Amino acid sequence: NAGVTQTPKFQVLKTGQSMTLQCAQDMNHEYMSWYRQDPGMGLRLIHYSVGAGITDQGEVPNGYNVSRSTTEDFPLRLLSAAPSQTSVYFCASRETGYSPLHFGNGTRLTVT
Amino acid sequence: DQQVKQNSPSLSVQEGRISILNCDYTNSMFDYFLWYKKYPAEGPTFLISISSIKDKNEDGRFTVFLNKSAKHLSLHIVPSQPGDSAVYFCAARYAGGTSYGKLTFGQGTILTVHP
Repeated sequence: NAGVTQTPKFQVLKTGQSMTLQCAQDMNHEYMSWYRQDPGMGLRLIHYSVGAGITDQGEVPNGYNVSRSTTEDFPLRLLSAAPSQTSVYFCASRETGYSPLHFGNGTRLTVT
Repeated sequence: DQQVKQNSPSLSVQEGRISILNCDYTNSMFDYFLWYKKYPAEGPTFLISISSIKDKNEDGRFTVFLNKSAKHLSLHIVPSQPGDSAVYFCAARYAGGTSYGKLTFGQGTILTVHP
């Protein structure tokens, strides 16, 4: 049982480039979410989804897009990377509203 | 506006002693609180939680206390072990409207347990 799998683990982008961070879970969880972790800021919610075809914005959605075509996958797209998007990104999923989130191991993104 | 705050960026304790990590929140609509532990190069993992209708929850060496009137929760680790050295995040679940139980996290506290 792999849990939540994120790829890639590391990525370096130039300003203006686009890319997609992949997230997949094999626990049949309806709820999935993306967080970014920055020093002194904790984990901040970017986007979340409560099921296939349903997405919504979190605290810091600007510059990011998401879609949810299947229960398993929840990719995060950076449309035009900026240095302010340098961060560690975590994908997470959970079974119900009161279940704990299961996190992936993160993607460390650097934008130069 | 940081609705969940961990005001101590770091904490250092001796092995065998008690570690107390603190967390304050401002939103009365939070109904469920969780603590996560994070090791370097790994994702956060769930540690312990508490509902707003309780004031204490224990799981082995870990106890979480909730003081609703003060909007404060704390995590006690007794006895502390070197393997407990990690970043600890508190998180609060928002119960209102169409929030779908979104979690708001604190900034994290780095715990170092010295042998």
